[in-house]
Amino acid sequence: GQQLNQSPQSMFIQEGEDVSMNCTSSSIFNTWLWYKQDPGEGPVLLIALYKAGELTSNGRLTAQFGITRKDSFLNISASIPSDVGIYFCASLYATNKLIFGTGTLLAVQP
Amino acid sequence: ETGVTQSPTHLIKTRGQQVTLRCSSQSGHNTVSWYQQALGQGPQFIFQYYREEENGRGNFPPRFSGLQFPNYSSELNVNALELDDSALYLCASSLVLGNYGYTFGSGTRLTVV
Repeated sequence: GQQLNQSPQSMFIQEGEDVSMNCTSSSIFNTWLWYKQDPGEGPVLLIALYKAGELTSNGRLTAQFGITRKDSFLNISASIPSDVGIYFCASLYATNKLIFGTGTLLAVQP
Repeated sequence: ETGVTQSPTHLIKTRGQQVTLRCSSQSGHNTVSWYQQALGQGPQFIFQYYREEENGRGNFPPRFSGLQFPNYSSELNVNALELDDSALYLCASSLVLGNYGYTFGSGTRLTVV
């Protein structure tokens, strides 16, 4: 079945550093979503991508829809302590089911 | 506009018992989905309800069932609880069927002992 693999699994960085993470699949998707989940909370949508090659920004966050439609990338510039959390990629299949990636844990040291 | 609220926030049950989790959708949202998130993993799709009818189901056994009410609130029921059912259960609502714009609740942490 469909599976989204994220890397790295975890990252420990200093405040101010830039962060890159990615999400890959063996299946083609038409939508890529990036969520952030804080401890004890549900995921919150950060960026949505709809077209191969699309590059979209949301403040310090930038995400790209891979040209093969099998991958996506999320970059965070100038990280701050509140960026701490788990980042999930996700996509839609069967029109109404969200499939989530394995997650990337981000820790930011002040 | 209110967000998605779930209750209870935490719950401890014994293996073999039954549990009902509740979700109040964001105002105006007619589609609700339930997800199970085991520790250290991403959420897994359980099922979706649209206008009080089940509209898609993930790879979960029939002892996982749900209801959606006319006011768009919903319930997730799990019978014959197993230890592996211990997880965070998330409810997500959306305004339009098939729309990606899901709003997630904070979840119910279920522990089965």
